[in-house]
Amino acid sequence: QLQLQESGPGLVKPSETLSLTCSVSGGSISSSSYYWGWIRQPPGKGLEWIGSIYYSGSTYYNPSLKSRVTISVDTSKNQFSLKVNSVTAADTAVYYCARDIVATIGLFDYWGQGTLVTVSS
Amino acid sequence: DIQMTQSPSAMSASVGDRVTITCRASQGISNYLAWFQQKPGEVPKRLIYASSSLQSGVPSRFSGSGSGTEFTLTISSLQPEDFATYYCLQHNNYPLTFGGGTKVEIK
Repeated sequence: QLQLQESGPGLVKPSETLSLTCSVSGGSISSSSYYWGWIRQPPGKGLEWIGSIYYSGSTYYNPSLKSRVTISVDTSKNQFSLKVNSVTAADTAVYYCARDIVATIGLFDYWGQGTLVTVSS
Repeated sequence: DIQMTQSPSAMSASVGDRVTITCRASQGISNYLAWFQQKPGEVPKRLIYASSSLQSGVPSRFSGSGSGTEFTLTISSLQPEDFATYYCLQHNNYPLTFGGGTKVEIK
């Protein structure tokens, strides 16, 4: 059974960089059939797709965040990561990692349980 | 970017009611529309993809329809476990965009 697990600091100061890692177990991140994505949800609000990455390193970003976001992959560790620069309180959210399907994007069939990141001094 | 507008944003309904949620896309997305259900404190769960294809294991009281710019999610007979927030997602192309959500509450 595929499992995804987010990890990283739960508190980040304004203007600093938010860094999260998603560890994948029960399957290979190097599969040609899948993308690996990040989605976030501010408290009490809706879902926002941040971006996705292929095992080769090809990335797709939400234009609203593209200038501040970097998604990378480490196939040797079966992990992918998210960095968001220059964070503000508006970046406070539950951050989910999820598996997407290359053949039909946006189907997000497996999700991590989510991790709350609070931006505050 | 394609904007997804969901309506209503919230609704109250009773067990056994037929519930319909609408999602409109700002431009045509063929049938590339998925519906997710999220209960408080839980991870979103995909119910429907490609507008009308039911995810394996999802009860048949859930159905989806539509193409182009207008889509609906219908729950034929609302059950207690269906009280949740529902999101549409256009998966026609990047950037993927979600609707604002519809919270279905108990009347």
